[in-house]
Amino acid sequence: QQQVKQSPQSLIVQKGGISIINCAYENTAFDYFPWYQQFPGKGPALLIAIRPDVSEKKEGRFTISFNKSAKQFSLHIMDSQPGDSATYFCAATLSGTYKYIFGTGTRLKVLA
Amino acid sequence: DAGVTQSPTHLIKTRGQQVTLRCSPISGHKSVSWYQQVLGQGPQFIFQYYEKEERGRGNFPDRFSARQFPNYSSELNVNALLLGDSALYLCASSLRGANTEAFFGQGTRLTVV
Repeated sequence: QQQVKQSPQSLIVQKGGISIINCAYENTAFDYFPWYQQFPGKGPALLIAIRPDVSEKKEGRFTISFNKSAKQFSLHIMDSQPGDSATYFCAATLSGTYKYIFGTGTRLKVLA
Repeated sequence: DAGVTQSPTHLIKTRGQQVTLRCSPISGHKSVSWYQQVLGQGPQFIFQYYEKEERGRGNFPDRFSARQFPNYSSELNVNALLLGDSALYLCASSLRGANTEAFFGQGTRLTVV
């Protein structure tokens, strides 16, 4: 119940294309959903985050879509660039707790 | 502004030894969390400290301990190292405690041989 399931495990997209990564959860007590980008040998960097009272949030080329009834949320990367090639993690926090529960990660490769 | 700083960046230890990892949060942040990231997996929560008190603990053995100092920096200690403790140890800094943005440091790569 405290898991966050992430898919796909890996993704290859052409430059300029749209990258879509999906996450699903079971526990309705989750109330904060961030996405992180991680390059090899580096720590995760916060990209964008959403709370369940909002269905969509956009920051630049990155958009989170949130479907509360389906308990799913997704990251869309528009106009994907080779520099976006990295591992992306979704995460969730339980209301009133202090820990992030991370998905298993999606390795994105954007072809030039 | 300096981000989250961790030291050392890399470390090699022998089984059975003890290790101390250090973290300095972003200036003004009062919460520090520790995560373990095994290669190919997402980070796993170990501890969180807020205002120098432990506020959360993950499913890790008692060999793992941590503390937060008055200046909000933190140390993670691991005793009796096992080969399976080899991982990237990440420190995350937050302005407050629960459900807020967390900013990660570069991590400490620990290798146990």
